[in-house]
Amino acid sequence: EAQVTQNPRYLITVTGKKLTVTCSQNMNHEYMSWYRQDPGLGLRQIYYSMNVEVTDKGDVPEGYKVSRKEKRNFPLILESPSPNQTSLYFCASRPQGAQWGNEKLFFGSGTQLSVL
Amino acid sequence: AQSVTQLGSHVSVSEGALVLLRCNYSSSVPPYLFWYVQYPNQGLQLLLKYTTGATLVKGINGFEAEFKKSETSFHLTKPSAHMSDAAEYFCAVTDSGGSYIPTFGRGTSLIVHP
Repeated sequence: EAQVTQNPRYLITVTGKKLTVTCSQNMNHEYMSWYRQDPGLGLRQIYYSMNVEVTDKGDVPEGYKVSRKEKRNFPLILESPSPNQTSLYFCASRPQGAQWGNEKLFFGSGTQLSVL
Repeated sequence: AQSVTQLGSHVSVSEGALVLLRCNYSSSVPPYLFWYVQYPNQGLQLLLKYTTGATLVKGINGFEAEFKKSETSFHLTKPSAHMSDAAEYFCAVTDSGGSYIPTFGRGTSLIVHP
């Protein structure tokens, strides 16, 4: 089954304790992206990647890191989490290129992060 | 640069009533337009999309949207709301001549009353 898998589903942590949220897709998609969803602010893009070893900042990249060493994986790293990073996070993927510009995004089920 | 505006963070309707969720966009090139739906505790899934051709597009669960270039709008409608339609709805735009990175609106929460 084609899917984007995020782990963990829920995470509670404390300020300053490094954490990683994993994202994996089995569709051989080039484009992958991380979003955070906050009430009243909708979906905001954190980072995205057009292909392996190619990453770029989105609208709200501060406090986050990503890596794209393999096509299928795109982990989100919070090196020193703070309470303002408490949010619902989504990973998404899609084929990339002119012929795929009208293709939908495939979303993971989300990771609810609470930073105390 | 592209942008999306969704009017109304919350829309409340009675079961059986018309659903209208508004979306306006700005784009310097012909856009690709999408509506996604997010049911409680789930990720987003595609409801419908406009790429080229027919401006009235039909999606899942009886929803449809009409692309109006002159009004830069892509409003989502459903003739008769069902309780199961209660969800968060996001409009998104992707430009057809660039990097194809989608921009999302802030979302509209649809509340359906019995």
